[in-house]
Amino acid sequence: GNSVTQMEGPVTLSEEAFLTINCTYTATGYPSLFWYVQYPGEGLQLLLKATKADDKGSNKGFEATYRKETTSFHLEKGSVQVSDSAVYFCALVGGGADGLTFGKGTHLIIQP
Amino acid sequence: ETGVTQTPRHLVMGMTNKKSLKCEQHLGHNAMYWYKQSAKKPLELMFVYSLEERVENNSVPSRFSPECPNSSHLFLHLHTLQPEDSALYLCASSPSRIQPQHFGDGTRLSIL
Repeated sequence: GNSVTQMEGPVTLSEEAFLTINCTYTATGYPSLFWYVQYPGEGLQLLLKATKADDKGSNKGFEATYRKETTSFHLEKGSVQVSDSAVYFCALVGGGADGLTFGKGTHLIIQP
Repeated sequence: ETGVTQTPRHLVMGMTNKKSLKCEQHLGHNAMYWYKQSAKKPLELMFVYSLEERVENNSVPSRFSPECPNSSHLFLHLHTLQPEDSALYLCASSPSRIQPQHFGDGTRLSIL
C-alpha cells in the first residue's frame, strides 16, 4: 500500500532561517504529491502540489520538487516567518488507492 | 472561507448519545471524504463518496455511519461512541478522487 514518511518534529527555527522538511513516499505507479498546511484551529489547506517527476510546486515562498529517483518531495523555504508556524503534512494520491495518504505531520515553530 | 463548511465546530457528547456531523460544499465537487485526526497519529481516511456512492470504508466501526444524500452534503452519524473516538473530524471534497482535496475546519468531538 501507499505510505508517506516525514520528520515529525517539532521543528523550531528562528525567523529568517532556512527551512527543510523531509518527505519520502512509497507508492505504486505515479502518484501526485502534495504539501498541506494546518494552522491552529483550522482544517488543512493545500500549500503546493506536483503531479509528475521533476515537477516543482511552489506557493507563498515554499517549494518542493517531485524526485522519483529518491521517492522524495522535500519542502523548503528560504526565509521563514513567525506566521509560518503550523503543522505541515506531506501527502500523495494515486497508486491505486482512493483519497489522500498522509504523513504524520511536522509541527513547525518559528520564533521571533 | 474554505468552500467546505462543517457543523458543529465543537461537540461534546456522552457515550450513549446519538448525534450527527454535517459537511456542506458548494464547489461543484463530485467526491467527498471523512477523515479522523487524533493527536500523535496520522490522518485516517474513514469514508469516501464519489457521485453520492460510497466507494471506500476503511474498516471503520459501525458506530460511525455516513450518509451522502446529494453531492453537496455529507453526514456522519454517531452513536454509542467510545472515549477513544474523541478527535477532530475533517470533511474534504475534490473534483474527482485523484485531484487535490479541499478541507473544512473540522468538528472537534469530545466523548465523556
